[in-house]
Amino acid sequence: GAGVSQSPSNKVTEKGKDVELRCDPISGHTALYWYRQSLGQGLEFLIYFQGNSAPDKSGLPSDRFSAERTGGSVSTLTIQRTQQEDSAVYLCASSPPGRRGETQYFGPGTRLLVL
Amino acid sequence: GIQVEQSPPDLILQEGANSTLRCNFSDSVNNLQWFHQNPWGQLINLFYIPSGTKQNGRLSATTVATERYSLLYISSSQTTDSGVYFCAVGGDYYGGSQGNLIFGKGTKLSVKP
Repeated sequence: GAGVSQSPSNKVTEKGKDVELRCDPISGHTALYWYRQSLGQGLEFLIYFQGNSAPDKSGLPSDRFSAERTGGSVSTLTIQRTQQEDSAVYLCASSPPGRRGETQYFGPGTRLLVL
Repeated sequence: GIQVEQSPPDLILQEGANSTLRCNFSDSVNNLQWFHQNPWGQLINLFYIPSGTKQNGRLSATTVATERYSLLYISSSQTTDSGVYFCAVGGDYYGGSQGNLIFGKGTKLSVKP
């Protein structure tokens, strides 16, 4: 079946603009995660959704970052007033319902460059 | 929080050689995954292995949860094995529900023809 998809695949924006990144998880997966990968910080967790609620937002780096998930499916990560340090690859993952600890499947990422 | 250390950070192999990558973690976990990040940046699932041993073709992995480490074995390496290998662990943060993964810094593998 289809894997996790993300759009856009690449995004170039100017400092101060807002951006929206989209994630379509694997059908039936109830858990959804956002991570980002940057040269200096490696792979770091941003936010976790179970259904439409977000029990863990602890990784969001500032209040310029927000995310929502609707219908237990698509999620949007929004970065307001982008800064150059926001440049990174933003990765989305999803995992199926069930017992503790399930395989997370990653999308191809959105490469964000803030000029 | 949980700390994840991977070794070695870099590894250069001749095609056909075998290798062992190690992942140490600092606390008990309920999720441990090995990924291969290809040159295009895609994270490819290799193993979900919070404990025990699994094999898939030329790759195998062993996690000894009581001693808090996992090993990834690559046998008869090929140039297509090149890339970065990540170990990621997850703890029981939500009273039984799933939690986020914490990634190591990875092992960069280069396989020369």
